[in-house]
Amino acid sequence: QVQLVQSGAEVKKPGASMKVSCKTSGYTFINYGINWVRQAPGQGLEWLGWISAYNGDTKYAEKEQGRLTMTTDTSTKTAYLELRSLRRDDTAVYYCAKEGSWYAVDYWGQGTLVTVSS
Amino acid sequence: DIQMTQSPASLSASVGDRVTITCRASQGISNFLAWFQQKPGKAPKSLIYAASNWQSGVPPKFSGSGSGTDFTLTITSLQPEDSATYYCQQYHTYPWTFGQGTKVEIK
Repeated sequence: QVQLVQSGAEVKKPGASMKVSCKTSGYTFINYGINWVRQAPGQGLEWLGWISAYNGDTKYAEKEQGRLTMTTDTSTKTAYLELRSLRRDDTAVYYCAKEGSWYAVDYWGQGTLVTVSS
Repeated sequence: DIQMTQSPASLSASVGDRVTITCRASQGISNFLAWFQQKPGKAPKSLIYAASNWQSGVPPKFSGSGSGTDFTLTITSLQPEDSATYYCQQYHTYPWTFGQGTKVEIK
């Protein structure tokens, strides 16, 4: 069965960087892209970007472009999200989400809480 | 960016009721519309893609319709386990955008 298992919660200081991993299994990794979505406490869902697991092409939300890097490791079937120069309003649960039929998301990781606090 | 507007923001209904959530896009998105269910403290779950197609394992009590700018998610025979927040999302044009969510509560 398809699974996306994310790394554990992190606490970061303002100005630091975070890197969240998303280890996948149960499907052919390079055939589908990975989206990253975040959810601030008590708020809705915000799309951050997409990466092709086939060739590494990326699409980033313009709002965070410059601070975001998405990568994949095909040998371990793992996707990564890096966000730099963290601010307090980056505090959120970060989700990876697999692309499925017609490019829509079909499976989600369990989420990783990143808290930015001094 | 394409704005997605859901209505209502919240609703309360009884067990067995049929409820409908509306999602409107600020410009045409064909049928590139998905619906998700999220329960408190949990990751979203994918329900519908391409406006009206069920994701694997989703029961037919959840149904989607629409095309262009206006879409609906209908839940029939509402049960306590359907209590959740429901989001629509367009994936027609980057950046992908979500509606603000509709919270469904059971009376």
